[in-house]
Amino acid sequence: SYVLTQPPSVSVAPGQTARITCAGDNIGSHRVHWYQKKTGQAPVLVVYDDIDRPSGIPERFSGSASGSTATLTISRVEAGDEAEYYCQVWDGTDWVFGGGTKLTV
Amino acid sequence: EVQLVESGGSVVQPGRSLRLSCAASGFTFSDYYMHWVRQVQGGGLEWVSRINRDESVTSYADSVRGRFTISRDNAKNTLFLQLNSLRAEDTAVYHCARESGDGDEFDYWGQGTLVTVSS
Repeated sequence: SYVLTQPPSVSVAPGQTARITCAGDNIGSHRVHWYQKKTGQAPVLVVYDDIDRPSGIPERFSGSASGSTATLTISRVEAGDEAEYYCQVWDGTDWVFGGGTKLTV
Repeated sequence: EVQLVESGGSVVQPGRSLRLSCAASGFTFSDYYMHWVRQVQGGGLEWVSRINRDESVTSYADSVRGRFTISRDNAKNTLFLQLNSLRAEDTAVYHCARESGDGDEFDYWGQGTLVTVSS
């Protein structure tokens, strides 16, 4: 089955930019979605279709995809952004998640 | 406001069964495909199952196929997951999630209900 690979952790100082990567074979042929998950809370969709942002999500959250990697970029990081972030695609059969990245601010 | 509220999680012995529910509100439930996604403690998200609008098509992850059954009651705006032949590795928080109307992402999720399989 399709595999998405994320770094286990990313650390960034407040006000800086965080970049979280998601690698997969020919990932550019899939639409990549990103979720924020805080402990005890429901996951929140922060980016969909590689680059789009749902209403209510700050412009500081953006997505991109190139080659075999998709990237979630969080600009001007705030303490409240500390969470786990997951990428996800549909591989034609299953809905596949990356292993998740713990963002520490 | 879209709300998804799961219930039914508990501690259960291996081999036993459990039925989870997800009460939906704030949208026309029958218009959307619905999913179950689980998260093991300290682990990542794992897709479990999906059901189409009229219950005619369902799909399952390999890890649960033949043991779990997804269903829905559109008149009661409720999604279900029947868990049979439970194993220790099924221990997780189970979330219901709505598939967006025009894509394959999950645009709304519930907070989840904890299933613990232990003797």
